[in-house]
Amino acid sequence: ILNVEQSPQSLHVQEGDSTNFTCSFPSSNFYALHWYRWETAKSPEALFVMTLNGDEKKKGRISATLNTKEGYSYLYIKGSQPEDSATYLCAFYNQGGKLIFGQGTELSVKP
Amino acid sequence: DAMVIQNPRYQVTQFGKPVTLSCSQTLNHNVMYWYQQKSSQAPKLLFHYYDKDFNNEADTPDNFQSRRPNTSFCFLDIRSPGLGDAAMYLCATSRDFDDEQFFGPGTRLTVL
Repeated sequence: ILNVEQSPQSLHVQEGDSTNFTCSFPSSNFYALHWYRWETAKSPEALFVMTLNGDEKKKGRISATLNTKEGYSYLYIKGSQPEDSATYLCAFYNQGGKLIFGQGTELSVKP
Repeated sequence: DAMVIQNPRYQVTQFGKPVTLSCSQTLNHNVMYWYQQKSSQAPKLLFHYYDKDFNNEADTPDNFQSRRPNTSFCFLDIRSPGLGDAAMYLCATSRDFDDEQFFGPGTRLTVL
């Protein structure tokens, strides 16, 4: 059984705070790690697809790092804004060809 | 412009009454997926199509069926919905198996 765990389950921060959350995944048979942002009433949207150990990707104020040897990825948001409020999902893609999701981190940013 | 469209966005059905959820895509992607997400849980893959080749996950109940009549459309049929089938159903597409997946907004199913 492959488990992808995300923590924390939910997070409440003030506008301007920087925040980060964790995705842990099996370190064997790794192929890729996906991060998605899912805003209420909208479609989940891909943020990053990460494949290499040590990868660090950035999109605006959001960045992510990847450690495939120990099986974790961090997502960072610098200077959170209310529009960052969403559920952030990570998904582990193994060499078996299936995307396995974590349960998500629900982020709420208060003005 | 929406690339993966799901209809309806909200569906209410009665216990045991068959229901069909619809997904269409304008991306011409080879792979289409159906996921089920129950409250505060991870989205769970039910099945996928690579073109016309169907792959059912081992733990997907027999109650759930799917059809893909052409590249653009894929349907999820629930033959006899139970209360435990109330969930968000997400459709996704990708060009190939290891590519980024593009999601629709989901259909929230309520079973009365």
